[in-house]
Amino acid sequence: EVQLVESGGGLVQPGGSLKLSCAVSGFSVTTSEITWIRQAPGKGLEWISYISAIDGSKYYADSVKGRFTVSRDNGNNSILLQMNSLRADDTAVYYCAKRGGASVTRRFLEFWGQGTLVTVS
Amino acid sequence: EIVMTQSPATLSASPGERVTLSCRASESVRSYLAWYQQIAGQAPRLLIYGAYTRASGTPARFSASGSGTEFTLTISGLQSEDFAVYYCQQYSSWPPGYTFGQGTKLEIK
Repeated sequence: EVQLVESGGGLVQPGGSLKLSCAVSGFSVTTSEITWIRQAPGKGLEWISYISAIDGSKYYADSVKGRFTVSRDNGNNSILLQMNSLRADDTAVYYCAKRGGASVTRRFLEFWGQGTLVTVS
Repeated sequence: EIVMTQSPATLSASPGERVTLSCRASESVRSYLAWYQQIAGQAPRLLIYGAYTRASGTPARFSASGSGTEFTLTISGLQSEDFAVYYCQQYSSWPPGYTFGQGTKLEIK
């Protein structure tokens, strides 16, 4: 069974740092495409980061570029999101999600974690 | 960046009714369009991909259509568990990333 479990959220002061983890089971992070999505309170969904299993390439939304870093922890079968220089507008529930596959026809987000809340205040 | 626009923002309906939600892309996304359902307090769940293909576990009362820039999601015979927020998402343009519509909240009349 595919599962994704986020952890690491919490309360942090503006300018601070936090590291989120997305622990997965039922598949390997070395062969799957994982994306981070966030949702500010009462707002919609915002894509923020992606790491490729094929070549390790990483992409970031402009809103987090230069402050957030995504990486893979193969030993723990997890994806990490290091968040630095946090701002009040980074307050959100952060979800990790598994793409259906690497091909263009499978880029939808097939499985989601339950999310972890990050509050910057 | 491709902009996704959903309408209406809020839709009020009664159980048993049939409703249609719309999603428009600022440029063609071909059939690379997904729909997600988010029940209050829960993570989003994939409903539809490829513009009209139901994901595993999606009930048959959910149907979708469209291609290019205009898409619809129809729910026939609304059930209590269908009252939620629905998001469309394009995955045609990559990189730089996904774009979602702002969501349609389906509420009980």
